[in-house]
Amino acid sequence: NAGVTQTPKFQVLKTGQSMTLQCAQDMNHNSMYWYRQDPGMGLRLIYYSASEGTTDKGEVPNGYNVSRLNKREFSLRLESAAPSQTSVYFCASSDRWANYGYTFGSGTRLTVV
Amino acid sequence: GENVEQHPSTLSVQEGDSAVIKCTYSDSASNYFPWYKQELGKRPQLIIDIRSNVGEKKDQRIAVTLNKTAKHFSLHITETQPEDSAVYFCAANAGGTSYGKLTFGQGTILTVHP
Repeated sequence: NAGVTQTPKFQVLKTGQSMTLQCAQDMNHNSMYWYRQDPGMGLRLIYYSASEGTTDKGEVPNGYNVSRLNKREFSLRLESAAPSQTSVYFCASSDRWANYGYTFGSGTRLTVV
Repeated sequence: GENVEQHPSTLSVQEGDSAVIKCTYSDSASNYFPWYKQELGKRPQLIIDIRSNVGEKKDQRIAVTLNKTAKHFSLHITETQPEDSAVYFCAANAGGTSYGKLTFGQGTILTVHP
């Protein structure tokens, strides 16, 4: 099925460990996004990529890095995980102007202990 | 940047009643306003959207209204059913050249009691 695929679905990290969240879309979308979701705070933008080869910071970029590997793939890396990064992470994609909204991945539930 | 405020944070209604969720936005250049529904443990799903050249849009039991002058938009659900229970998010796009970047409201937990 066409859509946005995220891996892994669940992850537990120890403080200071690193990991990469993977995201791939097969909708031929130009733009991709990483959001985090915390209770009572909605979805907050971490980084986005308007097109292959470009990335920009969102509202809460500290502690994260991203790579737009090609048009399909957009990864999010935590270099040194902290308990404050415990959250649910969603990847999304859209056409360049989000004319039809976002298609979200199924999410990654990350716990940092 | 864009700021989106959403109210109420929780809403409890009886089956068959109507539910209204309201959002305000700050960027007068915003021109696209989607609404997402998120069921427990699932991903957000687009349920309806509206653009700035339209004042109201309906899709069966759901409708969205937009007041550009006041910079607010609302989601209306009529004849609510238990399966409408979920978290609802409003969003607004960024104006100018920020492409499709969306800013989301804080979410409303809607509970429909049978």
